[in-house]
Amino acid sequence: NAGVMQNPRHLVRRRGQEARLRCSPMKGHSHVYWYRQLPEEGLKFMVYLQKENIIDESGMPKERFSAEFPKEGPSILRIQQVVRGDSAAYFCASSPQGQRNTEAFFGQGTRLTVV
Amino acid sequence: EDQVTQSPEALRLQEGESSSLNCSYTVSGLRGLFWYRQDPGKGPEFLFTLYSAGEEKEKERLKATLTKKESFLHITAPKPEDSATYLCAVENQAGTALIFGKGTTLSVSS
Repeated sequence: NAGVMQNPRHLVRRRGQEARLRCSPMKGHSHVYWYRQLPEEGLKFMVYLQKENIIDESGMPKERFSAEFPKEGPSILRIQQVVRGDSAAYFCASSPQGQRNTEAFFGQGTRLTVV
Repeated sequence: EDQVTQSPEALRLQEGESSSLNCSYTVSGLRGLFWYRQDPGKGPEFLFTLYSAGEEKEKERLKATLTKKESFLHITAPKPEDSATYLCAVENQAGTALIFGKGTTLSVSS
């Protein structure tokens, strides 16, 4: 049973480019969460999604960031016009339906570097 | 505002030297307190969930305890492979997210 799969593991983007981060939840999991970990900072919640629905996006920056979890395929975190301050590790977690954070399992993360 | 504070920030132990990590929290009604382990370059690995004061859970050399204001992660006779960053988190009021502390980085030398 594969765990939460994130790709790419490392992503380098120039300022102003777009970054797309993908997350495939564990089999049978329908809840997806995105977190960001800045250097010397703790993990910060960004967004919580279920299939085709954004449930809580209170941690998402108002501009340039968006997330989706389509009926088919992985969840995508999209960052438009990246800036150096977006450099961080982005983690995705998933949990089974009905259990939310109780059984959240994390992926290995995508490390975004903006140059 | 819900908040989680972990101490110390870093802890160095000799192999076999037991100690405890602290997690203080401020929430309006605890829904769950979580402990994770994170190795460098990896994602957090789930360890424990605690729900009510007085609850304890154990796994190998680790034991987590919970009071109304804080949680402790006790490490008994640690080994070098226990070296990692240990993260504490609480669930937010909406039940939609985890609020993490900054973690305690544990180094165990042989």
